[in-house]
Amino acid sequence: EVQLLESGGGLVQPGGSLRLSCVASGFSFTKYVMNWVRQAPGKGLEWISGVGGSGDSTYYEDSVKGRFIISRDNSKNTLYLQMNSLRDEDTAVYYCAKDRSGWPESFDYWGQGTLVTVSS
Amino acid sequence: DIQMTQSPSSLSASVGDRVTITCRATQSISNYLNWYQQKPGKAPKLLIYHASSLQSGVPSWFSGSGSGTDFTLTISSLQPEDFATYYCQQSYMTPLTFGQGTKVEMK
Repeated sequence: EVQLLESGGGLVQPGGSLRLSCVASGFSFTKYVMNWVRQAPGKGLEWISGVGGSGDSTYYEDSVKGRFIISRDNSKNTLYLQMNSLRDEDTAVYYCAKDRSGWPESFDYWGQGTLVTVSS
Repeated sequence: DIQMTQSPSSLSASVGDRVTITCRATQSISNYLNWYQQKPGKAPKLLIYHASSLQSGVPSWFSGSGSGTDFTLTISSLQPEDFATYYCQQSYMTPLTFGQGTKVEMK
């Protein structure tokens, strides 16, 4: 059974940093792109970043490029999102999502989400 | 970036109704279009990928069609568990982008 378990969310001040983690199990972790998708309160879904199976290829949405860093540790089956220079508009539930393929495409398994609140 | 626009933004329907949601892209995306269902407080669930392929475990009353810029999600006979918000998403190029969502409510 595929499982994705996020952690690391919480309350942070504007300009601060936070690191999210997602531990994966139940599938061959290195074969698939892994993604982060977020959802602001009461809003729609927004893909923000993806990373290839080896970790060499990374992809970002423009609003987080230069502030967020996606990475993975395949020895630990863990995906990370380092979030720096956080803004009020980064407040959202952050979901870890497994891709169906080796290319950023579609998300067939999702974690339960972790809430990040950016506020002073 | 490719913008995705869904219509309607919300609709009211009854159990047994046929429901159609449309999604339009700002440029051709071939068949790189996916559909998700999200219920309140839950993570989204993949329903359809590549415009018309049913994800494993998804009931057969869901179907998708379209190519190029115009796509449709059809629920042939709405069931009680289908009241939710539906999102389309293009996977033609990064950044991957979603439509704004369509909320299906009970009439």
